[in-house]
Amino acid sequence: GEDVEQSLFLSVREGDSSVINCTYTDSSSTYLYWYKQEPGAGLQLLTYIFSNMDMKQDQRLTVLLNKKDKHLSLRIADTQTGDSAIYFCAETPATDKLIFGTGTRLQVFP
Amino acid sequence: DVKVTQSSRYLVKRTGEKVFLECVQDMDHENMFWYRQDPGLGLRLIYFSYDVKMKEKGDIPEGYSVSREKKERFSLILESASTNQTSMYLCASRQGGADTQYFGPGTRLTVL
Repeated sequence: GEDVEQSLFLSVREGDSSVINCTYTDSSSTYLYWYKQEPGAGLQLLTYIFSNMDMKQDQRLTVLLNKKDKHLSLRIADTQTGDSAIYFCAETPATDKLIFGTGTRLQVFP
Repeated sequence: DVKVTQSSRYLVKRTGEKVFLECVQDMDHENMFWYRQDPGLGLRLIYFSYDVKMKEKGDIPEGYSVSREKKERFSLILESASTNQTSMYLCASRQGGADTQYFGPGTRLTVL
């Protein structure tokens, strides 16, 4: 099946690191994505990783990919209140489709 | 920057009404998509379109239809709205052959 799984909630203190995890099922996915959705808004592409990479770093964001376990994670360093949002991972098992996870709601408290 | 706009941010309709949700993109993208977002279910693909006048069913097309008469505009139609179609509807577009999709702000539809 094409199920992408995420935990529903994560709560962290401001300044700490956040790690959002995702497991996917289709090893043929070429790219894996992280999208952010702020309250009342659409989805914004945060970052992506090509399937032949293990890690990608972009400022405070680090994406780790374990293809063997089909596990993707997003680490946000020095988490801020503005990072509070829903984070979706997505895979591309076919060139015309994105399969989204259920989303993880990140809450950052002072 | 890619801009994807949706005609309404909030919409309230009655059961049985015909509902049109409009989406416009300004980057000459070939592909356009309609998703619905529900808590705990993530985003589910309703319909997508590769090009003008072309459409393909997604994972949950029942109760919906679409129209793509012009490249920049993709409409989602609820022929007879029902309460189980209360949801957030998100439109996206993508350059043909690329993977990255760009999303609109969403339309929150409530069907009473």
